[in-house]
Amino acid sequence: GAVVSQHPSRVICKSGTSVKIECRSLDFQATTMFWYRQFPKQSLMLMATSNEGSKATYEQGVEKDKFLINHASLTLSTLTVTSAHPEDSSFYICSATKGDLKSPLHFGNGTRLTVT
Amino acid sequence: GESVGLHLPTLSVQEGDNSIINCAYSNSASDYFIWYKQESGKGPQFIIDIRSNMDKRQGQRVTVLLNKTVKHLSLQIAATQPGDSAVYFCAEKSMRFGAGTRLTVKP
Repeated sequence: GAVVSQHPSRVICKSGTSVKIECRSLDFQATTMFWYRQFPKQSLMLMATSNEGSKATYEQGVEKDKFLINHASLTLSTLTVTSAHPEDSSFYICSATKGDLKSPLHFGNGTRLTVT
Repeated sequence: GESVGLHLPTLSVQEGDNSIINCAYSNSASDYFIWYKQESGKGPQFIIDIRSNMDKRQGQRVTVLLNKTVKHLSLQIAATQPGDSAVYFCAEKSMRFGAGTRLTVKP
């Protein structure tokens, strides 16, 4: 159990457009989901914590108006990259937890975003 | 501030040898740590975790050691196999990741 599905796996978009990435917990309810960004040969950088039914908590330096997060249900969180620029090109990964922060995260397989 | 980091960015071992990947942390109040494995183009996968009331925990071919005195933990992989080649991250309290170590297993 504990499968997290992320969609799309790859997306190419033009500068100035917006892209939505979905993260679903398929077989469990996730009150909390996390969004990460990963550049090549670097670690995962936590962008924001998504809580069902409330506003997301963003990490320092992450623009909340640019990276819109919606966690409308216990199984779905979305990340929308608005007005994308080439420097937003990255690997975006979501994760969800079945319990509190003292339990392992279950990760999606990531979304490779390329902005041209 | 808090940080979780790794000593070595790369590690190359021969198939069959044991691998040791290290991780340092700075927050002495940290009480839960996880090791993840990330294969190319995929999300991280859980390997093993340890709570601060333990010094050692063993899984299948993997062992995590926690030294709270020096704020250091390590992941030991026994009889390393080609399928173990990946980037390994330690994480604190489930969400913050260290820099990662790329493990390459030579046949």
